[in-house]
Amino acid sequence: QVQLVESGGGVVQPGRSLKLSCAASRFTFSNYGIHWVRQAPGKGLEWVALIWFDGSNKYYADSVKDRFTVSRDNSKNTIYLQMNSLRAEDTAVYYCARDLWVGESMSFDYWGQGTLVTVSS
Amino acid sequence: EIVLTQSPGTLSLSPGERATLSCRASQSVSSSHLVWYQHKPGQAPRLLIYGASRRATGVPDRFSGSGSGTDFTLTISRLESEDFAVYYCQHYGTSPPYTFGQGTKLEIK
Repeated sequence: QVQLVESGGGVVQPGRSLKLSCAASRFTFSNYGIHWVRQAPGKGLEWVALIWFDGSNKYYADSVKDRFTVSRDNSKNTIYLQMNSLRAEDTAVYYCARDLWVGESMSFDYWGQGTLVTVSS
Repeated sequence: EIVLTQSPGTLSLSPGERATLSCRASQSVSSSHLVWYQHKPGQAPRLLIYGASRRATGVPDRFSGSGSGTDFTLTISRLESEDFAVYYCQHYGTSPPYTFGQGTKLEIK
């Protein structure tokens, strides 16, 4: 069974940085793009970022552009999300999710359990 | 950017009943790009339907998706206790952002 495990969450002060990791297993990691999605307390899902299978392309939501950076190490089967200049509104559970293409249809077919980031002084 | 509006916000039904959840897009989208997820508290979201009507692996056939253009529907034919959760539609188009609807909470009546 495909497995994605997030880590690195915690409490951080506004303006500081935090780096999340997403460790993947039980599939050929280097063949898949990976997304980050977040859910603020009491809110819905918000797409955050996508990194292609080979790291050649990266995309970000406007709300995190120029503050967050997604990267990957295919030798370690791990995705990272470097979060800088954190704000209270970045408080959320952060999920990584695998990108699936079936013909013209795309989706997020496997998700991790999430890691909680709390931005507070 | 495509905006997805889900209705109702909360749906209260009993096990055995039929559930109909709506997702309306702010402009016409390809059916290939409409996705549905189920999310239970404390768990990872689960892919249910992609391409508007194609069930993901392992999803029971009581779940079905339909629609085109701007109006899409997720139907659960006969509710079971494990189906009570929050459901999200998503537009996963050819370019970001890959927006979600605000969700429909399906609760036990």
